[in-house]
Order: sequence, then structure tokens, then C-alpha cells
Amino acid sequence: EVQLVESGGVLVQPGGSLRLSCAASGFTFRTYAMTWVRQPPGKGLEWVSSIDTGSDDTYYADSVQGRFTISRDNSKNTVYLRMNSLRAEDTAVYYCAKGGISTTGLDYWGQGTLVSVSS
Amino acid sequence: QSVLTQPPSVSAAPGQKVTISCSGSSSNIGNNYISWYQQLPGAAPKLLIYENNKRPSGIPDRFSGSKSDTSATLGITGLQTGDEAIYYCGTWDSSLSAGVFGGGTKLSVL
Repeated sequence: EVQLVESGGVLVQPGGSLRLSCAASGFTFRTYAMTWVRQPPGKGLEWVSSIDTGSDDTYYADSVQGRFTISRDNSKNTVYLRMNSLRAEDTAVYYCAKGGISTTGLDYWGQGTLVSVSS
Repeated sequence: QSVLTQPPSVSAAPGQKVTISCSGSSSNIGNNYISWYQQLPGAAPKLLIYENNKRPSGIPDRFSGSKSDTSATLGITGLQTGDEAIYYCGTWDSSLSAGVFGGGTKLSVL
């Protein structure tokens, strides 16, 4: 059974930093791209970032480019999202998803972790 | 504003058919596969359609997808009250080098 478990979401002050983790199990992690998607309270989905199987290619939404960094550790079956210079508009539930949005589709999602940016 | 345009809401009666449109451009839908997601209240999104028209294992054939030029459509037949959810389209945008979602369409089964 495929499982994705996000962690690391907390209340943080504007300008602060945070690292989200997503622990994967139930599939051959190293052979799949991974994606982060966020959803602000009461709003729609926003694609945030994706990483290929070997970490050679990473992609970011304009809204987070230069502030967020996606990475993965295939030995630990975990994907990370390092978030710096956090802003109020980064407040959202952050989902980890298996796959790429236009290749395999995002076929499994975690339960999400809430990041709140507020003073 | 989203790169992909979806109607905010659609509605139909139980047992009927509904379609949800997703409009984009040559840099996204026109040259990349599209996927569709269902988000029930309080839940994570769920993949319904990938590669324009393929259904993952376990998704009933009441759900279908199609694509034409720079637009895509999700079709749902035999509507059930359990289909009430928000539906999102998503794809890659080659100009942005980023993924994009539509704004979401709320389906009401009246």
C-alpha cells in the first residue's frame, strides 16, 4: 500500500524558515518524480515544486522560486521542502504527491501538513 | 487568476451527466498531458484521469477525459450524491517550466 506522510508544518513568523518532510512507502521511491502542492485555507490547489528521480532536475512555481528548495533522499525514501523567507501568503496545507502532474499524474497524495505564517 | 480556466460551478440531477471544461493554451494543455483530480470536503485530492483520458485502477468508467487542442473536458455520467466535490484540472506549462492547476469546479448533485 502506497503511503505518503508529511510532517513539519507549524506556526512560524513572517521571514522565518521551515523544512517539510514527506516519508514514502509502498512503492519504489527512487523511480518516481515527487511533487509538492499547497492549498491556502478555503482556496484552490497550487502546484509548488517537483523533483525528478535523481534530483538532477527541480522545478518551482514563480511564487516560491528563490525561497523554497525541494530535495530528496532516496536512501530514506523521503522528499523535503525547505522554505525560507516565509510570507503570510505561504499559509496553506502542503501536500506531498507521487509522480509528475503531466506525466504519470499525481496518483497518490499525503494527508497534508498545515503551515501557518503569522506574527 | 489561474493559468487554466474552469467554470466555478456546475450542477446536475442524480443519474444525469455533467461535463467540466478546462481551457488553456499551447504552452500547457496544447502540448502536455492533462490530469484531473477530485477533492471531497476535508480530504486530499484524488487522481481521476491522467494522460488526458486514462483512468487509474479503481476509478469507475463513469469518469472520462478528453482533450482537443488547448482545451480538455472531464465527463461524469450516472451522477451520484457522493460525486459532490471540487474538481481540478492540472498540467505542465512548458513556458513557465512549472505545473499549473485550474481554479477548480464545484459540482453539485441536486
